[in-house]
Amino acid sequence: EAGVAQSPRYKIIEKRQSVAFWCNPISGHATLYWYQQILGQGPKLLIQFQNNGVVDDSQLPKDRFSAERLKGVDSTLKIQPAKLEDSAVYLCASSPAGSGANVLTFGAGSRLTVL
Amino acid sequence: AQRVTQPEKLLSVFKGAPVELKCNYSYSGSPELFWYVQYSRQRLQLLLRHISRESIKGFTADLNKGETSFHLKKPFAQEEDSAMYYCALSEGGRRALTFGSGTRLQVQP
Repeated sequence: EAGVAQSPRYKIIEKRQSVAFWCNPISGHATLYWYQQILGQGPKLLIQFQNNGVVDDSQLPKDRFSAERLKGVDSTLKIQPAKLEDSAVYLCASSPAGSGANVLTFGAGSRLTVL
Repeated sequence: AQRVTQPEKLLSVFKGAPVELKCNYSYSGSPELFWYVQYSRQRLQLLLRHISRESIKGFTADLNKGETSFHLKKPFAQEEDSAMYYCALSEGGRRALTFGSGTRLQVQP
């Protein structure tokens, strides 16, 4: 099966600019996650979608971050305006429903550098 | 809130030596525990989950609810085991995973 696709792989922007990341999950996976991984730390959940509804966005900085999952498939994560501390790898993951719900398949990540 | 602690940032062992990567958690309910691994230039991937109770690539992990630990063990390390290892916890149901900060395992020849 095809894996989780993410783009772009790398992005360099200046602070206060905006950026958007795209994710295409594994076909049929109901749940999609965006994690932020800062260098030297473990992944931190930003937002979790179940189909096209939000399950958990409690750690999403909503003043600058937004995410959507149209039609319950692809998802976009946007940052506007970016801050220096947003430099990180943004990981998208998906998981199926049922007994495999907590088995996440990760994409390669999008590395953001904010100057 | 749940928390996952991996006390070692780096663990260096020689090939053939036993390995134990520590993971402690804090959660009052019945968690589901996982180990994820990231090899060099590869994606983060599932290594094993406690409910499966299986050995993957020679690794095992036992959930100890009394000590709130889920340590990853392998009796004889191989060079290809060198990677970043992350312990993760789920509260169950539809809740997402909470990850620890990771431990880098280096297996020297």
